[in-house]
Amino acid sequence: GAVVSQHPSRVICKSGTSVKIECRSLDFQATTMFWYRQFPKKSLMLMATSNEGSKATYEQGVEKDKFLINHASLTLSTLTVTSAHPEDSSFYICSASGWTSGSSYNEQFFGPGTRLTVL
Amino acid sequence: DAKTTQPTSMDCAEGRAANLPCNHSTISGNEYVYWYRQIHSQGPQYIIHGLKNNETNEMASLIITEDRKSSTLILPHATLRDTAVYYCIVRVDRDDKIIFGKGTRLHILP
Repeated sequence: GAVVSQHPSRVICKSGTSVKIECRSLDFQATTMFWYRQFPKKSLMLMATSNEGSKATYEQGVEKDKFLINHASLTLSTLTVTSAHPEDSSFYICSASGWTSGSSYNEQFFGPGTRLTVL
Repeated sequence: DAKTTQPTSMDCAEGRAANLPCNHSTISGNEYVYWYRQIHSQGPQYIIHGLKNNETNEMASLIITEDRKSSTLILPHATLRDTAVYYCIVRVDRDDKIIFGKGTRLHILP
């Protein structure tokens, strides 16, 4: 299957700082990218949907000014957690949707996740 | 909200077939059934999907009932590496956002 990468894989930061997480589709162009967060022993919760060149669509209850999403190209989306606090500590996962070589349909692939710890 | 219900957890002996059920009684005619799994501290991995016919690939088989209100994912020869949370999802097309339910935590026992 296609490859989606995230960077960094884990990050520890101080309370009040901002953290940027990158999501890249390595071998296909992602028309749509999705961001999820996951707390321990819980399911993934969709945060937002982003399309290249347009503003992200946030799910109800997700603060758009807190979680800034930029989808500047067909292979890169970034999530910035602004003024992070300990309650923002979580596992953040992105997925990318697009046509891959050899595929007859548009499929979604998930990144490996980024573990954020805010002290 | 997730449109599926799954058992919270299941156990399966290594080498045996693991059969994971999923109920999706409100599925629409144009919605597919997708299965993903998530191994601890990793991103979800696609397993298989289907509309109404049974499907098989190198990972698993998907059996969908004739009325499409339920399905079963079959891992034919479970190994310890199949220990994961398995999510059954219904969605219209491949661009549609994925809403995850609670999934089934599958434990493969040695």
